[in-house]
Amino acid sequence: GAVVSQHPSRVICKSGTSVKIECRSLDFQATTMFWYRQFPKQSLMLMATSNEGSKATYEQGVEKDKFLINHASLTLSTLTVTSAHPEDSSFYICSGSRGDDGYTFGSGTRLTVV
Amino acid sequence: GESVGLHLPTLSVQEGDNSIINCAYSNSASDYFIWYKQESGKGPQFIIDIRSNMDKRQGQRVTVLLNKTVKHLSLQIAATQPGDSAVYFCAERGGSQGNLIFGKGTKLSVKP
Repeated sequence: GAVVSQHPSRVICKSGTSVKIECRSLDFQATTMFWYRQFPKQSLMLMATSNEGSKATYEQGVEKDKFLINHASLTLSTLTVTSAHPEDSSFYICSGSRGDDGYTFGSGTRLTVV
Repeated sequence: GESVGLHLPTLSVQEGDNSIINCAYSNSASDYFIWYKQESGKGPQFIIDIRSNMDKRQGQRVTVLLNKTVKHLSLQIAATQPGDSAVYFCAERGGSQGNLIFGKGTKLSVKP
């Protein structure tokens, strides 16, 4: 079946630095990539939606200059957390879609900012 | 709208019993619904889905029921096993971007 490979699975970074998270669709072309954030004991909250070759659409309250999303190809999307702060510590999950009923999730990235 | 909660509801069952997990969804225009299982530190895992033109769908040991009148979904797990212990989320395709909107989640704990 469809697989989305997400890396890294865990990352610890210092406050003020930037972190890049990659999601690759391995056996399908993800025309749309959704990026979610999940805080402990909470649900997944949509941060942004990116379509290949277009600028990402951000949800209300999500800073587009802080969470940079690139979706340059149908198989790769990246999320860069710029100038990370402790409050950005969270579990970030991507989900690739071909435009049909398939939503394939990555395994998530645990970001800890110290 | 989006669902956020500080405390996950918990359902505790005995191994071998049937489990029923409920979910209220938000958008009456949502046309597609999915149940996911999430284990600690992992991404959501697809369990079963249902379209809005159906009210019941069965899989292996799992059944999803959809009641559009009251915007309610349920997941029934037959003969629950310890390996079923996880957090379960319902999701509806009702977002403006074609995205899934997730429910609050229920933690299922199976006692051996």
